[in-house]
Amino acid sequence: SAVISQKPSRDICQRGTSLTIQCQVDSQVTMMFWYRQQPGQSLTLIATANQGSEATYESGFVIDKFPISRPNLTFSTLTVSNMSPEDSSIYLCSAGTGGSSNEKLFFGSGTQLSVL
Amino acid sequence: AQTVTQSQPEMSVQEAETVTLSCTYDTSESDYYLFWYKQPPSRQMILVIRQEAYKQQNATENRFSVNFQKAAKSFSLKISDSQLGDAAMYFCAYRSANYGGSQGNLIFGKGTKLSVKP
Repeated sequence: SAVISQKPSRDICQRGTSLTIQCQVDSQVTMMFWYRQQPGQSLTLIATANQGSEATYESGFVIDKFPISRPNLTFSTLTVSNMSPEDSSIYLCSAGTGGSSNEKLFFGSGTQLSVL
Repeated sequence: AQTVTQSQPEMSVQEAETVTLSCTYDTSESDYYLFWYKQPPSRQMILVIRQEAYKQQNATENRFSVNFQKAAKSFSLKISDSQLGDAAMYFCAYRSANYGGSQGNLIFGKGTKLSVKP
């Protein structure tokens, strides 16, 4: 299994500012992902964080709004840029080992973001 | 596109009793994985159980078992001997076994909130 640490666990931000969320995994993983969970809703994939290259974004999410970095196999950041109240959500990092039938995805405990 | 449906927004069970959470999905793929995740108030998504579509045998993990009906595209979770610590949101999720694109993209249902009464 993998242990995922996410920081900050929660934050309250002003409209128009940006917040960077960090995700650290305790072992090297192939895949890292960022999900959003809006209040009372399920999880939606924002993007796949690719090591050494640009992230792959899902429909409805763009790099200018959610820039992602992944400098190595254990660390990734997600930035929520130019925030508005609609960005108030829980943001979760997940990680897994791809290419195996035993692949399991593990999740961090999320970052609860409130935008005023 | 694949979809996952959980038709029970909330469920309640008496401690020590058994409860079944429903999940159906839609896909044209033949090879995929299905999951149940538990999300307690701590927000951490915890993998409860996993099923490979090519396996006919239903997965079990201690008090948790699934009823996987591939033809009916149904994947229900049974929790036996329910405990207070089982109270949480439960999400059913689907993942394609095909590579390319979002390899690890989990498609989640909307969740079922399970309450356990002492």
